[in-house]
Amino acid sequence: DVVLTQTPVSLLISLGGQASISCRSSQSLVHSNGNTYLHWYLQKPGQSPQLLIYQVSNRFSGIPDRFSGSGSGTDFTLKISRVEPEDLGVYYCLQRTHNPDTFGAGTKLELK
Amino acid sequence: QVTLKESGPGILQPSQTLSLTCSFSGFSLNTYGMCVGWIRQSSGKGLEWLANIWWNDDKYYNPSLKNRLTISKDTSNNQAFLKITNMDTADTATYYCVRHTTGTPFDYWGQGVMVTVSS
Repeated sequence: DVVLTQTPVSLLISLGGQASISCRSSQSLVHSNGNTYLHWYLQKPGQSPQLLIYQVSNRFSGIPDRFSGSGSGTDFTLKISRVEPEDLGVYYCLQRTHNPDTFGAGTKLELK
Repeated sequence: QVTLKESGPGILQPSQTLSLTCSFSGFSLNTYGMCVGWIRQSSGKGLEWLANIWWNDDKYYNPSLKNRLTISKDTSNNQAFLKITNMDTADTATYYCVRHTTGTPFDYWGQGVMVTVSS
C-alpha cells in the first residue's frame, strides 16, 4: 500500500499566522491518465472529516482561498494563511491514485 | 443539500457479522458518476478506506479486508449497506458513510457510527 507521511505531527500557530503541512508519498501519485489524486481533509474537534482540496490544488465548494495546495509526484503541501479559530483540528492527506486509497496519519493544528 | 447518516448495532461480539446502513439524501445512486463509500477511523489505524459502490453497481474493496466485506445498495430507498464478517476487537472504530463522485473524492461525510467489538 502507498504510505503517506505527514509532517509535522503537530503545529502550533498564532491566530493570523501561516501554517504549512507536508505530505510525502512512498510512490509517485501521478496516475496513468496524467491526473494526480492527492486530496486534503480537515477534521474539526468532534466532527467528521471535511474535504478541503482535491487533486492537489482545487478548493472544494465553500473553502476559502486562505487554503491552498501544491506539489507534484511524491511531495505535496497544504498552506493555510491568516489562520482563524475555525481552522483548528487535524489535517489529513489522502491518495486515490493507487489501490487501496490511503490516508496520512494526520497533522494537528493548535493555537499557540 | 447532501446528507448521509449511518446506523448500526453499536456493540457486537467477536466473530459476529457487522451490518451497517447508510441513509442519504440530496443525491441519487442512479446518477452517473455517483458513489457511496465506507471509511472507518480507529485510534490504532487512523482513517482506513473500506469499500465503494458506484451508480452502475461496480464495487471496490480494500484488499486487506476484501474477503470480509460486502457492499450493496438500494437505490429506490436511497440507502447503501456494508457487511463485515468475523468481527474482531481490532475492528472497533467509528464507521463513516461518504459520498464520492468522479469529480470530487469523499466530498460529504455522515456523522459516523461508533462500533465496539467486545466479549
